Amino acid sequence: EPEVTQTPSHQVTQMGQEVILRCVPISNHLYFYWYRQILGQKVEFLVSFYNNEISEKSEIFDDQFSVERPDGSNFTLKIRSTKLEDSAMYFCASSGGLVVFQETQYFGPGTRLLVL
Amino acid sequence: AQSVAQPEDQVNVAEGNPLTVKCTYSVSGNPYLFWYVQYPNRGLQFLLKYITGDNLVKGSYGFEAEFNKSQTSFHLKKPSALVSDSALYFCAVRDIEGADSWGKLQFGAGTQVVVTP
Repeated sequence: EPEVTQTPSHQVTQMGQEVILRCVPISNHLYFYWYRQILGQKVEFLVSFYNNEISEKSEIFDDQFSVERPDGSNFTLKIRSTKLEDSAMYFCASSGGLVVFQETQYFGPGTRLLVL
Repeated sequence: AQSVAQPEDQVNVAEGNPLTVKCTYSVSGNPYLFWYVQYPNRGLQFLLKYITGDNLVKGSYGFEAEFNKSQTSFHLKKPSALVSDSALYFCAVRDIEGADSWGKLQFGAGTQVVVTP
């Protein structure tokens, strides 16, 4: 069964450093998402991506964040200058089909980011 | 704004007993509702969704959910719980408000299910 994969599973970084989180969505999917879950809190939406551009973003997704689909398979989230409060589990998700509101989003296993 | 609420932080149930995890929603327009499960150190696994049609939705691992429009609820149920069902369960609603919305998921706070042998 196709799955969303994410690398690395864990990332430890120093405050102010740049990190890139990588995701390989399900191959025939069209819509891509990043969410995050700060320890003990809700899963929060960050950004959605369709047709090689951001389609929607939350207020969390400020200028320090960027997303890219550098080739036909990878989808990345970059945090330019990490802050302590960026420590969280980051989930990538993808969905297929043409009726986006009805499509199921399939999630990857997550990358746990720890900013020291 | 679209939202879901999960009123219980934790549900405890004995193995073999029925399991119910509650979710209520608030939406303008048609609700698109989802249940996900998260096992320790794992991602979110899709269980089931309600888009339209039959109010009783069947999903993975023997789970089902009942959509109740008058009570704005979408409770997750399993007739006979297993110890392996112990996990964190999230209800989510598709946020389709606003001209710029692309249907992001709004998650509830999650309910920890503990099934004891």
